[in-house]
Amino acid sequence: EIVMTQSPATLSVSPGERATLSCRASQSVSNNFAWYQQKPGQAPRLLIYGPSTRATGVPVRFSGSGSGTEFTLTISSLQSEDFAVYFCQQYNNWPMTFGQGTRLEIK
Amino acid sequence: QVQLVQSGSEVKKPGASVKVSCKASGYTFTSFGVSWVRQAPGQGLEWMGWVSAYNTSRNYAQKVQDRVTMTSDTSTRTAYMELRNLTSDDTAVYYCARTTVTTLFDFWGQGTLVSVSS
Repeated sequence: EIVMTQSPATLSVSPGERATLSCRASQSVSNNFAWYQQKPGQAPRLLIYGPSTRATGVPVRFSGSGSGTEFTLTISSLQSEDFAVYFCQQYNNWPMTFGQGTRLEIK
Repeated sequence: QVQLVQSGSEVKKPGASVKVSCKASGYTFTSFGVSWVRQAPGQGLEWMGWVSAYNTSRNYAQKVQDRVTMTSDTSTRTAYMELRNLTSDDTAVYYCARTTVTTLFDFWGQGTLVSVSS
């Protein structure tokens, strides 16, 4: 199965600053890649797929890039509601696999 | 609006079975599949499997394939996930997720906590 590796595990950033999260796939997943946001006690929410298309209702401060094996999620100016855990996922091959998550915390 | 509403929390003993439901609304049920993803306490996300809502196709993760059955009922717009022979390692929140033809999980249920304890 394809292993998804996220970095860093925890990222501390101040509100208003930029955050950059990374995800690497153990083999190419083409553009079949997504980012999810999960807040405590809530289900994951689709943020970005394809890997640069924002899901419906996602603010423009969220952007995704990459292809093949290297992907990046950028949040341009962090708002208080953005502090959460972010998961990457590939949906190119069965089984679909997720990264272990990056916790974005307030600095 | 798209909604997936799951059944309530369950407490089970080791060796028992659990069946979680996921009722869909706000979209054409048979145009999408349903995937099941679980999350153990404080852990990441683990895909368990997928069931088509328009034919009999299924695909299960190897880890649970011998113990899981996923079904869908078009008459009630409900998907089900049954997991048998539970152990403490199955304690987790179980999510259903609407799955597109490209296997993207675009909408999620609220989650169902399954606790396994003697």
